[in-house]
Amino acid sequence: DTAVSQTPKYLVTQMGNDKSIKCEQNLGHDTMYWYKQDSKKFLKIMFSYNNKELIINETVPNRFSPKSPDKAHLNLHINSLELGDSAVYFCASSQVNRVGETQYFGPGTRLLVL
Amino acid sequence: DAKTTQPPSMDCAEGRAANLPCNHSTISGNEYVYWYRQIHSQGPQYIIHGLKNNETNEMASLIITEDRKSSTLILPHATLRDTAVYYCIVRVGNFGNEKLTFGTGTRLTIIP
Repeated sequence: DTAVSQTPKYLVTQMGNDKSIKCEQNLGHDTMYWYKQDSKKFLKIMFSYNNKELIINETVPNRFSPKSPDKAHLNLHINSLELGDSAVYFCASSQVNRVGETQYFGPGTRLLVL
Repeated sequence: DAKTTQPPSMDCAEGRAANLPCNHSTISGNEYVYWYRQIHSQGPQYIIHGLKNNETNEMASLIITEDRKSSTLILPHATLRDTAVYYCIVRVGNFGNEKLTFGTGTRLTIIP
């Protein structure tokens, strides 16, 4: 029944590793997003995809590569993990063809890089 | 950069109305005011949004001043579960580019 789901919920890994976070939405929305919330609790957008096409890329290092196999899924792959990548990553989705549409967020993935 | 200013924290007694202010003096004519909240360790949750008219839903009311330079979110009967960080956001971008820029928000604590 979960509208926006993310896996895993927790991810602890070593510096230099490559990891992926998965996101799925069952709301039938056209647009999906990735946000990063750092240790100071600032929540910032990273990417958005609309119907599998990249719409927003907020100057994120190219070690981060989003992949959207279909409009219900937006995965985030991170290469060569660094300590500064430790954060909570939130996926969200929305339907953009209506004025004032809202975003629905997933529960977050807590990434800790050691 | 966030286009809104909110007090960093507020307290409210349980059962009373919580009134959370937000200043957005540079808002453009076609920009909406959104409110989200983030309960500890959870993903942000949509509360309400509006353009120029006051809005009400099952969660809250939104009062926007006539000049649209400020707004107030009202939780009519606050409960302990309303303790959260509340974000006032001015929506930027047009269709297909619905970026939400979160500021530092207001940490609302409901006191028993």
